[in-house]
Amino acid sequence: NAGVTQTPKFRILKIGQSMTLQCTQDMNHNYMYWYRQDPGMGLKLIYYSVGAGITDKGEVPNGYNVSRSTTEDFPLRLELAAPSQTSVYFCASSPPTGDTEAFFGQGTRLTVV
Amino acid sequence: AQSVTQLGSHVSVSEGALVLLRCNYSSSVPPYLFWYVQYPNQGLQLLLKYTTGATLVKGINGFEAEFKKSETSFHLTKPSAHMSDAAEYFCAVSGPGGGNKLTFGTGTQLKVEL
Repeated sequence: NAGVTQTPKFRILKIGQSMTLQCTQDMNHNYMYWYRQDPGMGLKLIYYSVGAGITDKGEVPNGYNVSRSTTEDFPLRLELAAPSQTSVYFCASSPPTGDTEAFFGQGTRLTVV
Repeated sequence: AQSVTQLGSHVSVSEGALVLLRCNYSSSVPPYLFWYVQYPNQGLQLLLKYTTGATLVKGINGFEAEFKKSETSFHLTKPSAHMSDAAEYFCAVSGPGGGNKLTFGTGTQLKVEL
């Protein structure tokens, strides 16, 4: 059982380039999330989605965009990459009930140079 | 708004010693509380959670945590540390009716020494 799958695992971008981080889940979860993890800062929510066609901003959305055309997929788009976007990105999914844990992917380590 | 405070960004214990990782939360309503563990270059894995009912919850790998509403705390403990427990631990909170948006603490890196 795959769970939450993220691609790529590693990526180096040049300043100003763009890329899409892919995330797919096979648990039929309604909710999906993108977090970024920076040393000593914990995880910060970038965007989330409560179902196909519905997305909303989290705590740190600037510089990112998302879409949710299917239940399974929740890609994160970086436009005009900046060094401040160097981070580890985690995608997660969960059922809609708040008492159920989120399931995380293995992460994408992104470096912007 | 909810928030989580983890005291001590780095904790070091000897193998066989008690592990205590501290977590305090703020929430206007009774929260759901979670502890996640992250091993190097891995994603986050659920250790345990408190939602309702018994305030002492047991998780995987011998860890447990107690929800204390009066102290707004959810500290993580393990009676005897093992080398394999070395990892980063995150406390997180979500709220009923607010979906599953998790708010994380800044994490505690646990080091286990011989």
